[in-house]
Amino acid sequence: EVQLVESGGGLVQPGRSLRLSCAASGFTFSAFGMHWVRQAPGKGLEWVSGISGNSVDIKYADSVKGRFTISRDNAKSSVFLQMNSLRPDDTALYFCTKRISAQAPFDFWGQGTLVTVSS
Amino acid sequence: DIVMTQSPDSLAVSLGERATINCKSSQSVSYSSNNKNHLAWYQQKPGQPPKLLIYWASTRESGVPDRFSGSGSGTDFTLTISSLQAEDVAVYYCQQYYSTPTFGQGTKVAIK
Repeated sequence: EVQLVESGGGLVQPGRSLRLSCAASGFTFSAFGMHWVRQAPGKGLEWVSGISGNSVDIKYADSVKGRFTISRDNAKSSVFLQMNSLRPDDTALYFCTKRISAQAPFDFWGQGTLVTVSS
Repeated sequence: DIVMTQSPDSLAVSLGERATINCKSSQSVSYSSNNKNHLAWYQQKPGQPPKLLIYWASTRESGVPDRFSGSGSGTDFTLTISSLQAEDVAVYYCQQYYSTPTFGQGTKVAIK
C-alpha cells in the first residue's frame, strides 16, 4: 500500500524557518519525482517545488524561490522541504505528492501537514 | 507559466443528473510528439487530499467510476459526471503537466 506521511508543520513566527518531511512507503521511491503542493486555508492548490528521482532536476515556484529548498534521501525514502524566511502568505496545508516523470500527473498524495506563519 | 481557468466556480446538480466542468489553458497542453494532452483532473473531498481521477485528458485512473469522463484537446477540456451521486460532492481541479505544474482554481460541486 502506497503511503506518504508528512510531518514537521506547526506555528512559526514570520522570518523563522521550518523543515517539512515526507516519509514514503509502498513503492520504489527512487523511481519517482517527489513534489510539494500547498493549499492555503479555503483556497486552491499551488505547486511549490519538485525533485527528480536522482535529485538532478529541481524546480521551485517563483513565490518560494530563494527561500525554500527541496531535497531527498532515497536510502530513507524521504523528501524534505526546508523553508526559510517564512511569511504569513506561506500559511497553508503542505501536501507531499509523487509522479513517475516530469510529464505525468500526481498519482498519489499524502494527508498534508499544516504550516501557520503568524506572530 | 500556463494559466488554468475553470468554469463555473461552483454548481449544484440534482442527484442522478449530469455535471459538467470546463477547464481552459492559456496555451496548448498538447504535445505533437506523442499526440497527448497533458491534462489531469483531481477530486478533493472535505478534509481529504486530492485524488487523481483522469489523466491524459480522458484516461480514467484505476478504480474511478465510469460516470466520470474527460474530454477535450489543446486548450479546452471538460470533466463530466454523467449521473451525480451523493459521494461526488467535492471540489474538482484541473491541472496541466505540460510544463511547470499549474492548477485551475477549482469547481465546487454540490447537490441541488
